[in-house]
Amino acid sequence: GEDVEQSLFLSVREGDSSVINCTYTDSSSTYLYWYKQEPGAGLQLLTYIFSNMDMKQDQRLTVLLNKKDKHLSLRIADTQTGDSAIYFCASGRYNQGGKLIFGQGTELSVKP
Amino acid sequence: GAVVSQHPSWVICKSGTSVKIECRSLDFQATTMFWYRQFPKQSLMLMATSNEGSKATYEQGVEKDKFLINHASLTLSTLTVTSAHPEDSSFYICSAIGPLAGASTDTQYFGPGTRLTVL
Repeated sequence: GEDVEQSLFLSVREGDSSVINCTYTDSSSTYLYWYKQEPGAGLQLLTYIFSNMDMKQDQRLTVLLNKKDKHLSLRIADTQTGDSAIYFCASGRYNQGGKLIFGQGTELSVKP
Repeated sequence: GAVVSQHPSWVICKSGTSVKIECRSLDFQATTMFWYRQFPKQSLMLMATSNEGSKATYEQGVEKDKFLINHASLTLSTLTVTSAHPEDSSFYICSAIGPLAGASTDTQYFGPGTRLTVL
């Protein structure tokens, strides 16, 4: 079946930029999402990108999509301790009942 | 907008009892909701798709007689863990399909999760 892969851990210093990477296998993915999960909480939708876009910026967040390589990244500028969380990448197809394929999650640790 | 609530947020029960978890979409209607299970430091495991007015669709390996799902209205789905055992202890998260702002498609909005501990 289709798959989404992420590295498991990332550690950065406060104020640095963080880059979380994700690869996916479904070439028919229409939308790609980034969700954030804080300890003991559900998932919060951070941002998304259409498959026909290369880049999307939303305040401190920049999403880059390389459709040819099926590679997605999330860059967080000026990372703060409050950004420490697990970040999930997910892929979905238009009109597939909303089902998403999730990566394993990347645990971001921000050190002061 | 697009807020999903879950109740209770945590529950402790004795082995052999049943536990009901509610998932509500507060400001939108959701014909489809999903139930996930999450183990510590792991990704989400999709258990079932809950469709309003029809039977839930369970993923392979999930016992439908153990995890009863009812989606009786456009804003409420319930998951009942029947005859719970310690191995059922986990973090259960629901999501509801809602409109994605700025796009012509829907996406999943997640509840805050329910921590179930079975003694």
